Amino acid sequence: LAKTTQPISMDSYEGQEVNITCSHNNIATNDYITWYQQFPSQGPRFIIQGYKTKVTNEVASLFIPADRKSSTLSLPRVSLSDTAVYYCLVAVMDSSYKLIFGSGTRLLVRP
Amino acid sequence: DTGVSQNPRHKITKRGQNVTFRCDPISEHNRLYWYRQTLGQGPEFLTYFQNEAQLEKSRLLSDRFSAERPKGSFSTLEIQRTEQGDSAMYLCASSLRGSIKSGGGFLEQFFGPGTRLTVL
Repeated sequence: LAKTTQPISMDSYEGQEVNITCSHNNIATNDYITWYQQFPSQGPRFIIQGYKTKVTNEVASLFIPADRKSSTLSLPRVSLSDTAVYYCLVAVMDSSYKLIFGSGTRLLVRP
Repeated sequence: DTGVSQNPRHKITKRGQNVTFRCDPISEHNRLYWYRQTLGQGPEFLTYFQNEAQLEKSRLLSDRFSAERPKGSFSTLEIQRTEQGDSAMYLCASSLRGSIKSGGGFLEQFFGPGTRLTVL
């Protein structure tokens, strides 16, 4: 059964680096790993996407090991406004091709 | 504002009634997705379209659910004979199709604000 697993919650302080890991078995061999941020009563918002190794953009880095069975989202120097739920999204080939969101990690950034 | 709009934003209905939601994607996006999200859970994939073709349907999409994208632009999601368990946020997203080089994968999705359905 295709499944993605993330920590339920994480606490951090302003200015710290936060790393959130998602485990994903049965990931499709030819598709991306994507991370989204979601605030209450809003749709998810794209953060970063990668296929393998490391990807960096202006807001985050994404680390993907060679077997692609997990990925780690790294948020440098978080601020209070980064308090949100973070989801990984992968495509899997189960009995059919489908998109699977992780269970979400609720990040709380304290002053 | 991501450029993806959904209407209505809220819908309250009685059990057994039919409801229809509309999604208007970003105009140049050829892929459109529907998800369902309940409180405290991640979005659950329902279905997606590439242009007007419905390419995948989740087992979550029972016979009471139907989605269309007749001209490859806007999409509708209809739920017939609603049940209380259908109460959820229904999210629509759109994206471009990945290039052949990238395996035709799922690129960045832009989500709408969602339609919150309450079935009494």
